Amino acid sequence: EAGVAQSPRYKIIEKRQSVAFWCNPISGHATLYWYQQILGQGPKLLIQFQNNGVVDDSQLPKDRFSAERLKGVDSTLKIQPAKLEDSAVYLCASSSTRTGMGQETQYFGPGTRLLVL
Amino acid sequence: AQKITQTQPGMFVQEKEAVTLDCTYDTSDPSYGLFWYKQPSSGEMIFLIYQGSYDQQNATEGRYSLNFQKARKSANLVISASQLGDSAMYFCAMREAYNNDMRFGAGTRLTVKP
Repeated sequence: EAGVAQSPRYKIIEKRQSVAFWCNPISGHATLYWYQQILGQGPKLLIQFQNNGVVDDSQLPKDRFSAERLKGVDSTLKIQPAKLEDSAVYLCASSSTRTGMGQETQYFGPGTRLLVL
Repeated sequence: AQKITQTQPGMFVQEKEAVTLDCTYDTSDPSYGLFWYKQPSSGEMIFLIYQGSYDQQNATEGRYSLNFQKARKSANLVISASQLGDSAMYFCAMREAYNNDMRFGAGTRLTVKP
């Protein structure tokens, strides 16, 4: 079974530029998550999709971050314009249908390392 | 609000020995799940083990076991027979039932010495 795929693996941009990350979840996984992991910290949830609908985007900086999952499979996370503090690893994860017991295991992709200069 | 605490920024263990990585959590929800992930230098988060709040027995997965003490709100990860490939960051995480947000601790960097 193929895992979560992400691209690119690395990206270096200058502040105020825009950048986009792509994620392809595990086949059949309805739920998709984007996390931001700043160096030395644990991942922080940015947005969660259930199929193609947004379940939670309360921690997404909506003035500069946007995400979509148009067909309920692949997802794109965009930053426009980027700031220095956006330098981080952006992780995509997916899980199967929620059971409501908090037990769904999330499987992560390799992440995209973003450096904003 | 849920909170995960990992008090050990770094740990060292001799190859083939066992090591315990600490994790405490705070929640008022009676139904929740606890997870441990391994993050090697490549960056990918690798799922290791899961413990449900209603599970009666401690979870085990190969060399990994979870020492779940519900009353103390602790979920320590035990790695037996450490291997050099176990050197990585280890994150404890918790997700409450019906809550979208899985919260992670700050992580513990484990180094296995030959």
